[in-house]
Amino acid sequence: AQSVAQPEDQVKVAEGNPLTVKCTYSVSGNPYLFWYVQYPNRGLQFLLKYITGDNLVKGSYGFEAEFNKSQTSFHLKKPSALVSDSALYFCAVHLSSNTGKLIFGQGTTLQVKP
Amino acid sequence: DTAVSQTPKYLVTQMGNDKSIKCEQNLGHDTMYWYKQDSKKFLKIMFSYNNKELIINETVPNRFSPKSPDKAHLNLHINSLELGDSAVYFCASSPRGGRWDEQFFGPGTRLTVL
Repeated sequence: AQSVAQPEDQVKVAEGNPLTVKCTYSVSGNPYLFWYVQYPNRGLQFLLKYITGDNLVKGSYGFEAEFNKSQTSFHLKKPSALVSDSALYFCAVHLSSNTGKLIFGQGTTLQVKP
Repeated sequence: DTAVSQTPKYLVTQMGNDKSIKCEQNLGHDTMYWYKQDSKKFLKIMFSYNNKELIINETVPNRFSPKSPDKAHLNLHINSLELGDSAVYFCASSPRGGRWDEQFFGPGTRLTVL
């Protein structure tokens, strides 16, 4: 079955430190991978996506993600965390069929401490 | 402002009632979606419409019926509400519903069934 997993429910980092939010996937065919962020009481916002090409993808708010085909991972990273980055982060994958159906991971809460 | 909007933002109702949630997007997108986010923040797709045609219809009780009067609107009607229907419902849209398209989410409707 095609799926995406976020192994950490919560990640805590100090402001100014680098952050990583992990994501692994299992899909048939080429993966179309996305990261979304959800701030409290808000809808999801798109951060970045990997379709093809360069394995390092840059997105909004200084975030980037590294696609690793051999490890089937798509970890979200930021070199220097801000307190305002504290939110719920979702990794998602489009299924192989062209229906636009997104499967989301369970979400990782990022807490950045001052 | 261009956006995906939902009404109402909050909905509190009794078991057995029928209620509707409305969604509108003015982004000119062809595809719209309904998602359910449960109390553990898990996000799951329910329905998708592409230019008023039902594309995705997940395993959802028949009490849930989407309606798309035009490609800018997607409403969700729920009959005979049950306690388990309590959740946050998100509407989203994407340009063409393709695997490469990011989705734009509304602010959500928090449904509480008493």
